[in-house]
Amino acid sequence: DAKTTQPTSMDCAEGRAANLPCNHSTISGNEYVYWYRQIHSQGPQYIIHGLKNNETNEMASLIITEDRKSSTLILPHATLRDTAVYYCIVRVAGNQGGKLIFGQGTELSVKP
Amino acid sequence: NAGVTQTPKFRVLKTGQSMTLLCAQDMNHEYMYWYRQDPGMGLRLIHYSVGEGTTAKGEVPDGYNVSRLKKQNFLLGLESAAPSQTSVYFCASSMGFFVNTIYFGEGSWLTVV
Repeated sequence: DAKTTQPTSMDCAEGRAANLPCNHSTISGNEYVYWYRQIHSQGPQYIIHGLKNNETNEMASLIITEDRKSSTLILPHATLRDTAVYYCIVRVAGNQGGKLIFGQGTELSVKP
Repeated sequence: NAGVTQTPKFRVLKTGQSMTLLCAQDMNHEYMYWYRQDPGMGLRLIHYSVGEGTTAKGEVPDGYNVSRLKKQNFLLGLESAAPSQTSVYFCASSMGFFVNTIYFGEGSWLTVV
């Protein structure tokens, strides 16, 4: 299973873009990169996922490098409500139920 | 739309007692999961199910049993609770195993004294 490496914590000013990096150097060709976030004590919330092309939705943008060994989640205009732990996850394929293996995540603090 | 519902939300057990956590989803999802989260840590997979009548072990299955008798329900049992099982438990479900989004419940806080 491909592992991910993320910084333990990051700060971001309210209204600015938050750029959260993730390394997944052992990712295989058919594995997707998923991002989830967990606001204090709540269940994790899906943000975005991608395979090799950049993706954008109403919450965020996902930039995946051409060699797919790393990616960046971008929250374009961070608000105080975006303060959360962000998890970068490589989705396990095959007959394993597609389960998510969570790492430690990045604790993002958005400050006024 | 209820999504994924967990019961109970809070429970205090004495060491050696047994209990069952119930997870119910109303999205007709095939796949269901049980995770636990200890303070300051990420989620760890306990058991999962790829369909009605099936179960499989995850990362930390010891001390837990599961059953999926109905498609919409996934039960997590603790036969003899231990203080090390004090944790927050999250249930989740997804339509398929590959690309589909996984939806999580709001968590069940379990304390074993």
